[in-house]
Amino acid sequence: EIVLTQSPGTLSLSPGERATLSCRASQSVGYSYLAWYQQKPGQAPRLLFYGASSRATGIPDRFSGSGSGTDFTLTISRLEPEDFAVYYCQQYGSSPRTFGQGTRVEVK
Amino acid sequence: EVQLLESGGGLVQPGGSLGLSCAASGFTFSGYAMNWVRQAPGKGLEWVSTISYSGDSTYYADSVKGRFTISRDNSKNTLYLHMNSLRAEDTAVYYCAKDASTVRPYFFEYWGQGALVTVSS
Repeated sequence: EIVLTQSPGTLSLSPGERATLSCRASQSVGYSYLAWYQQKPGQAPRLLFYGASSRATGIPDRFSGSGSGTDFTLTISRLEPEDFAVYYCQQYGSSPRTFGQGTRVEVK
Repeated sequence: EVQLLESGGGLVQPGGSLGLSCAASGFTFSGYAMNWVRQAPGKGLEWVSTISYSGDSTYYADSVKGRFTISRDNSKNTLYLHMNSLRAEDTAVYYCAKDASTVRPYFFEYWGQGALVTVSS
């Protein structure tokens, strides 16, 4: 089973700042089959990216995804108030599909 | 617009059983694999189970294998999860999620709003 480790656990930033979230896999994720999700309190997760860098429908371009192998990054270029949430990475390159433990982006 | 609406959650005693349903609309239900993903209170996401588009293939997390059964009725556009021998650690919000793939389990493209299952005496 591939273990995904997200860092940092919590990111305290101000609106307008840049956020950089990391997701590291315990072994290489085949075909860069890595997705990112955003979850706000009391809501279901929402797909942001798949294939490490392909933006899902309706996701603003201030969000970007990158990486391959074992190291992946989600970047929010300028934080908007609605971006403060928990972000999860998930690999689907091998079974079972696994999630990282999440990174909380909170208002500083 | 894709919509997934879970129902059937509630309070059940340890060792008991409970069934969840997920009514799907806005896409060709019979064309996609479907999933259940859960989230314990204050915790992260855990994949629970997947069923292929036809229902011929099913997959389970080790934590629920032998206790949970996933099924689907393509004529009713509905996904099911039947849970037996429930434990306190099964307490979670259970999300129905549409897979992006027709065959091979992929990423979770759309999610329902979730159904809370509480296992407690």
